[in-house]
Amino acid sequence: AQTVTQSQPEMSVQEAETVTLSCTYDTSESDYYLFWYKQPPSRQMILVIRQEAYKQQNATENRFSVNFQKAAKSFSLKISDSQLGDAAMYFCAYNKLVFGAGTILRVKS
Amino acid sequence: DAGVTQSPTHLIKTRGQQVTLRCSPKSGHDTVSWYQQALGQGPQFIFQYYEEEERQRGNFPDRFSGHQFPNYSSELNVNALLLGDSALYLCASSLRGAHSPLHFGNGTRLTVT
Repeated sequence: AQTVTQSQPEMSVQEAETVTLSCTYDTSESDYYLFWYKQPPSRQMILVIRQEAYKQQNATENRFSVNFQKAAKSFSLKISDSQLGDAAMYFCAYNKLVFGAGTILRVKS
Repeated sequence: DAGVTQSPTHLIKTRGQQVTLRCSPKSGHDTVSWYQQALGQGPQFIFQYYEEEERQRGNFPDRFSGHQFPNYSSELNVNALLLGDSALYLCASSLRGAHSPLHFGNGTRLTVT
C-alpha cells in the first residue's frame, strides 16, 4: 500500500522569505502523480502544484516549486517570497488516494 | 462557473442514525471522490465514483456507501453512526485518471452525539 509522510507538523516563515515543506512517500508503482494542496483556515482545499513521476523536470507554478527526487521518494515544496496569504495547512498527496497528515505553515509579518 | 458544492454545511446526528451528504461536481467533471478528514489530520479516501459505479474504495466499512447520478452528482451515506464518524466530509471532483487534480468542496461538518 502507498503511504505519504509529512514529518513537519508546523513551520514558520518570515514574510518575503523562502520555506521548504517536506514530503516522502512509498510506492511500488513507477508511474504516478504527486500533488501539493493548500487548505486555508476557511477550509476549502485548493491545488498548489502537480508533478508527474515520469517527468525529470521539477514542476513550477509562480512562487511555488517542487524538488522531486524519485529514487529517494521525496517531494518537497518550496515557497519563495512568502506572503501572508500563504498561511494554511499544506497536504502532500499521492494520486487521488493518499494524503499526508499535513504541515501548518505560519507566515510572520 | 460553479465549483464543487456540498450540502449541508453542518449536521448533527445521534449515534445509530443514518446520514446522507450531497455533492455537485464542478462543471465538466465526471468523477467524484469522497474523503473523511478528522480535525487536524489529512483527508482519508473513502471511495471514488465514475460512470455511476464505485471504482475504488479506501479502508472504510460497509456502513459507508455512495451513489453517483447520471448528472454526475453524488451522495455519501453513512449508516449506524458512531461517535468516531464525527469529521469533516470532503467531496472532490475531477476528470477520470490519476493525472487530473482534485477540486474540493467546502465540506460537510458531521457531529455525532
